[in-house]
Amino acid sequence: SAVISQKPSRDICQRGTSLTIQCQVDSQVTMMFWYRQQPGQSLTLIATANQGSEATYESGFVIDKFPISRPNLTFSTLTVSNMSPEDSSIYLCSVEQGVRGEQYFGPGTRLTVT
Amino acid sequence: SQQGEEDPQALSIQEGENATMNCSYKTSINNLQWYRQNSGRGLVHLILIRSNEREKHSGRLRVTLDTSKKSSSLLITASRAADTASYFCATGRQGGKLIFGQGTELSVKP
Repeated sequence: SAVISQKPSRDICQRGTSLTIQCQVDSQVTMMFWYRQQPGQSLTLIATANQGSEATYESGFVIDKFPISRPNLTFSTLTVSNMSPEDSSIYLCSVEQGVRGEQYFGPGTRLTVT
Repeated sequence: SQQGEEDPQALSIQEGENATMNCSYKTSINNLQWYRQNSGRGLVHLILIRSNEREKHSGRLRVTLDTSKKSSSLLITASRAADTASYFCATGRQGGKLIFGQGTELSVKP
């Protein structure tokens, strides 16, 4: 399975600032995904990021708030912009890999907004 | 909500017992995947079952899928304290999107 790393692993940020989260994969993958897990909740898909095209956002998520870059087949970033305490969550990236379509997740970035 | 339902929400058992978690969903799927999460950390992929499969095994894990009832179950046999975690089902949709259930919190007491 793919080895996925995320930076930073955690951060505490001030309201109104922005944070960029990096996701690095050890092999080339076509599809990368970004998820949010709010405290005590399940995971919700934010967007799908394919290399060479604009990210596709799910209902309730917009590019101005969560801009995504996908410059190559092994890397992606998610920015959480103009943060508020409601953005405090774990943000996870994932990739689809394997002939059966298994999806593997990074270790997550735990964000606290004060 | 598009998210699936999982039950029970919480399950507490003794070491050595079996644990069964159930997952239901609402729309057609390509596959269904089960994950484990320890204390808010990253998700560990456990097993994937395709929509045309009825049962899959992996070590102490057994997953069943009933597409007519839109439901799946995860059985962990001979549970261990180290199995204590949150377990999530996620249905695979077109384009690789995953829709997650609410999760089951499993506690295995030594």
